[in-house]
Amino acid sequence: LAKTTQPISMDSYEGQEVNITCSHNNIATNDYITWYQQFPSQGPRFIIQGYKTKVTNEVASLFIPADRKSSTLSLPRVSLSDTAVYYCLVGDGSGGYNKLIFGAGTRLAVHP
Amino acid sequence: DAMVIQNPRYQVTQFGKPVTLSCSQTLNHNVMYWYQQKSSQAPKLLFHYYDKDFNNEADTPDNFQSRRPNTSFCFLDIRSPGLGDAAMYLCATSRLVAGSNQPQHFGDGTRLSIL
Repeated sequence: LAKTTQPISMDSYEGQEVNITCSHNNIATNDYITWYQQFPSQGPRFIIQGYKTKVTNEVASLFIPADRKSSTLSLPRVSLSDTAVYYCLVGDGSGGYNKLIFGAGTRLAVHP
Repeated sequence: DAMVIQNPRYQVTQFGKPVTLSCSQTLNHNVMYWYQQKSSQAPKLLFHYYDKDFNNEADTPDNFQSRRPNTSFCFLDIRSPGLGDAAMYLCATSRLVAGSNQPQHFGDGTRLSIL
């Protein structure tokens, strides 16, 4: 399973756009890129997933360059409630389901 | 709402006393996972079930066992808890779709304390 590297922590302010970049140099052809969010004392929550180019949902956007060796999670106009740990994972779902190997994650703090 | 439910949210046990954590799901997912998450660390996969097929991670201690009596329920048994086993234990499920990468749905965990 490909290893991921993310910044340990980031700080932002309410209303700003936050971009968290994840490096996954050894990503394999079948690997998808998935981001999870985790609040204290809760389980991780799926945010977004992509394979290539750009994916957008009601919560975030995911940008994946052509070489797929990195990806960027973009959170538009963050609020205090977006303070959480964000995990980037890559995994091969070709078998129909996916084992997740979590990296250290990025601890995002949003300030008033 | 369909979800993954873990009971209890907090569990206290004594050093060496067996403990069982439970997880149930209403999603009817084929795959169920157990993770251990220690304070300020990322979740670490212990094992998973694909239907009734049990898959253990290579570095999961023998002290940890699991049972899945049916699709909806999965249990984590810690035979002789040590102080180092104090952690949040997370259960997750996912749906099996051939050729697809389905996201996992997590419960809110059981926080285990060892006295």
